[in-house]
Amino acid sequence: GENVEQHPSTLSVQEGDSAVIKCTYSDSASNYFPWYKQELGKRPQLIIDIRSNVGEKKDQRIAVTLNKTAKHFSLHITETQPEDSAVYFCAARRSQGNLIFGKGTKLSVKP
Amino acid sequence: DAGVIQSPRHEVTEMGQEVTLRCKPISGHDYLFWYRQTMMRGLELLIYFNNNVPIDDSGMPEDRFSAKMPNASFSTLKIQPSEPRDSAVYFCASRLSGSGDTEAFFGQGTRLTVV
Repeated sequence: GENVEQHPSTLSVQEGDSAVIKCTYSDSASNYFPWYKQELGKRPQLIIDIRSNVGEKKDQRIAVTLNKTAKHFSLHITETQPEDSAVYFCAARRSQGNLIFGKGTKLSVKP
Repeated sequence: DAGVIQSPRHEVTEMGQEVTLRCKPISGHDYLFWYRQTMMRGLELLIYFNNNVPIDDSGMPEDRFSAKMPNASFSTLKIQPSEPRDSAVYFCASRLSGSGDTEAFFGQGTRLTVV
């Protein structure tokens, strides 16, 4: 089955700096890669996703890149703000399958 | 739509008692997932259903755990007997299948504490 590894487990940055979170997956048939943000005590919510036929996707300050050959994908947050502080999860899935999550990255943005 | 609805939000129970967690998926969604979240293990998929049929229950930790989906708008996750190590936040999520990949929406979660 699918296995998703996520690094780092914790990340601390200064406000305004960039943050990068990296994930690798094992199942070459996976073709959908979402990123979820979970604030303390709340539910995970989708912030951006990418499909296997696309190498990069951007939405304002967040972007995701995918390297299918190497089976890894990354989340990039630019101009970080304190409200970006949360736990971020990557995930991978085949079509019509179930989402397998990475262990999460706790991002702290210091003012 | 009110989103995925879970109940109760919090549950405190004594070891050995039966616990039932409930989930109402978003209307029209045909996939339903149960996840367990702990600090040590992150978000673990326990079981998922497609059109009310269990597809993969390999994540269910042991026979004490069982899940049902009697109709398209309701699912339960039952633990009997409960143990302290079952303490976690349990999330239900649903999504719609289709030609494209679709977002999975999570419920608010049920925080279970077994004492």
